[in-house]
Amino acid sequence: GAVVSQHPSWVICKSGTSVKIECRSLDFQATTMFWYRQFPKQSLMLMATSNEGSKATYEQGVEKDKFLINHASLTLSTLTVTSAHPEDSSFYICSASAPIAAQYEQYFGPGTRLTVT
Amino acid sequence: GNSVTQMEGPVTLSEEAFLTINCTYTATGYPSLFWYVQYPGEGLQLLLKATKADDKGSNKGFEATYRKETTSFHLEKGSVQVSDSAVYFCARGGRDDKIIFGKGTRLHILP
Repeated sequence: GAVVSQHPSWVICKSGTSVKIECRSLDFQATTMFWYRQFPKQSLMLMATSNEGSKATYEQGVEKDKFLINHASLTLSTLTVTSAHPEDSSFYICSASAPIAAQYEQYFGPGTRLTVT
Repeated sequence: GNSVTQMEGPVTLSEEAFLTINCTYTATGYPSLFWYVQYPGEGLQLLLKATKADDKGSNKGFEATYRKETTSFHLEKGSVQVSDSAVYFCARGGRDDKIIFGKGTRLHILP
């Protein structure tokens, strides 16, 4: 149980285009989803916290107009990288928590590798 | 700065060797502490956790003890296997259910 999927697993796009990444909780309802960014040999950096039906809360330094997050249902959150540039190339990971889970119990997706050319 | 510091990798060991990956944290109070593992091509998985001082988390032969005196949560395993090759992340709980991660330590186990 507690499986989180991401789609796509990798994507290559041209500079200036937008890319949407989906995060789904497959067998549980996720009240909260988190989006992280991971650079090579670096830690996971939290970008934003997303609660179903409300606006996402962005971490300091993260451009909310560039990284659009939508959490339309209890099983789906999307991250859209708008007007992508090469510096946006990274590994994006989502996680989800469930109301019955213990505090800090997050289930992670396998990640999406974005390359902007 | 990063409030979770772990030893830099990569760490390369032979099979059946003893493993220690050091981790220290900074925080006010006593946060929950975690070790996550990321196998090649997969997402992060919770390996073990400890929620209060002197607790020992354990799973799959790995152990870590919450040491408040030294603000540490070192990961240990007595005899590693090739299948343990992965990236290991130390982490602590933050405000609003957030998790703060260390930079990760890549572990290579040679047969």
